[in-house]
Amino acid sequence: SQTIHQWPATLVQPVGSPLSLECTVEGTSNPNLYWYRQAAGRGLQLLFYSVGIGQISSEVPQNLSASRPQDRQFILSSKKLLLSDSGFYLCAWSVGVSLGRPQHFGDGTRLSIL
Amino acid sequence: EDKVVQSPLSLVVHEGDTVTLNCSYEVTNFRSLLWYKQEKKAPTFLFMLTSSGIEKKSGRLSSILDKKELFSILNITATQTGDSAVYLCAAYVTSGTYKYIFGTGTRLKVLA
Repeated sequence: SQTIHQWPATLVQPVGSPLSLECTVEGTSNPNLYWYRQAAGRGLQLLFYSVGIGQISSEVPQNLSASRPQDRQFILSSKKLLLSDSGFYLCAWSVGVSLGRPQHFGDGTRLSIL
Repeated sequence: EDKVVQSPLSLVVHEGDTVTLNCSYEVTNFRSLLWYKQEKKAPTFLFMLTSSGIEKKSGRLSSILDKKELFSILNITATQTGDSAVYLCAAYVTSGTYKYIFGTGTRLKVLA
């Protein structure tokens, strides 16, 4: 069966520090991978998605970046965090591109910037 | 600009009540509409709808899509406290991309 792992679960970082959040998927090949941010009381804002290794599409201009070094690994990074980067970050995967398939989400990382 | 709007933003009901959650969308290259339930952490999948007028049902939950009027509803009958959660809908679009556009969610609280 497929599983998705996302870590860490919580993170407290000072403004200006770097960031690296990791997401890995097991039990499937060539998944579509997504990073979302969810502010308190809000919906999911798509940050990045990837349909293959090295293929990254960015939805929102910001100081975050994403990379997909392996088929089932998706990394969200920043060189210098801003206060506005605080939020709940979710990684998700799906397969297929025609009608869309349900996304499966990791448990998320709650990021607080001080 | 692609947009998905959910209403109401929040709702408080008592156990046993029936609720209807709304999701309207204005997107290009629409392919499907998905509903999720989010309690503490990861949203969990409820329904995927691709055709108008065909009701999807799972226990006390049901959902239907109207592709002419561009909306979907999620019904929950005989609500229980365990139904308390944020309900999210998302439109899947394929206009040269493959992405899900989420609404802001409806926060449902069911009181005992």
